[in-house]
Amino acid sequence: NAGVTQTPKFRVLKTGQSMTLLCAQDMNHEYMYWYRQDPGMGLRLIHYSVGEGTTAKGEVPDGYNVSRLKKQNFLLGLESAAPSQTSVYFCASSYGRGASQHFGDGTRLSIL
Amino acid sequence: AQKVTQAQTEISVVEKEDVTLDCVYETRDTTYYLFWYKQPPSGELVFLIRRNSFDEQNEISGRYSWNFQKSTSSFNFTITASQVVDSAVYFCALSEANFNKFYFGSGTKLNVKP
Repeated sequence: NAGVTQTPKFRVLKTGQSMTLLCAQDMNHEYMYWYRQDPGMGLRLIHYSVGEGTTAKGEVPDGYNVSRLKKQNFLLGLESAAPSQTSVYFCASSYGRGASQHFGDGTRLSIL
Repeated sequence: AQKVTQAQTEISVVEKEDVTLDCVYETRDTTYYLFWYKQPPSGELVFLIRRNSFDEQNEISGRYSWNFQKSTSSFNFTITASQVVDSAVYFCALSEANFNKFYFGSGTKLNVKP
């Protein structure tokens, strides 16, 4: 049972570089989410998706883009990385509105 | 304004003590859902409980219990006879029925000392 898998687990980038974080779930969940976790701030929602082909902005969307081309995958992109985007990124999925979320193990991203 | 407030940043107790983690939420929706998650030092997020706004019945699961009070907009979490393995950061979260977003509190770090 893989659940929610995030790739990669660690990454170091230079300012201005781009990258994509991949989230894959095998539970046939409709909803998927991307969060960032910073010390003392809990988890903040970046973007989310309520189904294949749909995306929406969360609390802190600036500097990020997402795509949900397939139901099982949710990609988070950083077009031009900035040091302020150094964080731990979590992906989550759920059956639907109000359902509990299943989280991946996180991606630790450092931007120098 | 914060949707979910966890005023206790860090709590330290000695093993076998009882401890209560506070959570206060804010919403105008009549239908909403409340959650608690645990994040142990290894970093993963573990789901503990989900409550909907129409069910104010308190819940007990082993050493864990939850007290939901709509009148005070609180959803507090009590660990009875704490153990070292309970050491973690605990997050309270809110999901509103009319929206698809989740709101997490800033978390309470619980240190249980032997």
